[in-house]
Amino acid sequence: GAVVSQHPSWVICKSGTSVKIECRSLDFQATTMFWYRQFPKQSLMLMATSNEGSKATYEQGVEKDKFLINHASLTLSTLTVTSAHPEDSSFYICSARKRGRAEAFFGQGTRLTVV
Amino acid sequence: QKEVEQDPGPLSVPEGAIVSLNCTYSNSAFQYFMWYRQYSRKGPELLMYTYSSGNKEDGRFTAQVDKSSKYISLFIRDSQPSDSATYLCAMSAGGSYIPTFGRGTSLIVHP
Repeated sequence: GAVVSQHPSWVICKSGTSVKIECRSLDFQATTMFWYRQFPKQSLMLMATSNEGSKATYEQGVEKDKFLINHASLTLSTLTVTSAHPEDSSFYICSARKRGRAEAFFGQGTRLTVV
Repeated sequence: QKEVEQDPGPLSVPEGAIVSLNCTYSNSAFQYFMWYRQYSRKGPELLMYTYSSGNKEDGRFTAQVDKSSKYISLFIRDSQPSDSATYLCAMSAGGSYIPTFGRGTSLIVHP
């Protein structure tokens, strides 16, 4: 149990376009989902925390108008990178946790390349 | 001082060795402790989860938490080349459960 699926695994897009990344909990209800960004050989950088049915809470320095997060159901959260630029190229990873549980389960990650 | 300190390594060991990975932390409110394994270009995989102090064993993996010293460890017995990865410690307090991660330790197990 506790499987989190993230899609797509990789995406290449043109500068100025928007990209949507999906994160689904396949066998549990995820009351909280986290979105991270990871640079090569760096640790995870938390971007935002989203609770089902509530607006996402963004970390300091993360532009909420650029990184739109929606957590519409207990099994799905989406991250949309709007008007992407080459500096947005990175590895984006989601994780999800169940209500009342501390451990979080991660998706496979999405490698975004903006050209 | 960062909330969670973890030596980035790399830590290189021969196959079959016992590996010890460690993290220290400063926030005494942390109660939940996790170890993740991350292969290159993949999402982290949860290996061990521990609540409060004590030991937990799962196969070749043992997690230890010493809250009095604010120190946690992950031991890997009979290490294999397939264990070569980055190991991330994470911990959280009750309530928000937002995890704080260490920077990860790169482990290399050579045949």
